[in-house]
Amino acid sequence: EPEVTQTPSHQVTQMGQEVILRCVPISNHLYFYWYRQILGQKVEFLVSFYNNEISEKSEIFDDQFSVERPDGSNFTLKIRSTKLEDSAMYFCASRTGGAIGEQFFGPGTRLTVL
Amino acid sequence: AQKVTQAQTEISVVEKEDVTLDCVYETRDTTYYLFWYKQPPSGELVFLIRRNSFDEQNEISGRYSWNFQKSTSSFNFTITASQVVDSAVYFCALSENGNQGGKLIFGQGTELSVKP
Repeated sequence: EPEVTQTPSHQVTQMGQEVILRCVPISNHLYFYWYRQILGQKVEFLVSFYNNEISEKSEIFDDQFSVERPDGSNFTLKIRSTKLEDSAMYFCASRTGGAIGEQFFGPGTRLTVL
Repeated sequence: AQKVTQAQTEISVVEKEDVTLDCVYETRDTTYYLFWYKQPPSGELVFLIRRNSFDEQNEISGRYSWNFQKSTSSFNFTITASQVVDSAVYFCALSENGNQGGKLIFGQGTELSVKP
């Protein structure tokens, strides 16, 4: 069964460093998402991506964040200068086109900013 | 504004008990979609169900059932004869059709603990 994959599973970085979180969505999916979950809290929407551009972003997704689909298979989230409060689990998700359907989530990347 | 409220933060039951997880949503759209996801201790998000706003039929899948009531803006989830493996955090989520990107707005989650 096809699945969304994410690498790395755990990333530790120093405050102020850049990180890139990688995702490989399901191959025939058209919509891609990043969400984050601070430990013990709810899952929060960051950004949606369709047709090679951002379709919506949340207030959390400020200028420090960017997304890219560089090669038709990978979908990346870059945080330019990490802050302590960026420590969270980051989930990638994807879905097919058409009516709003199930989003398939990856296993997540736990980001720890020291 | 769109919002999902799961008022129950934690629920603890003994195995074989039935348990209902509440979900109340707010939206201005007439077309929207509701979801339940399970997050076991391992951390992944597992899809359980999707309903659209035009389909108010209740659904049953094994020990799981869902009750969708537009009149009260609720989409409650019942587990019958709970098992220890049901222990997880359960999230209710909403997606509005007017939002073509289809983002999910999650509730705070309900942590269910099923004790043997």
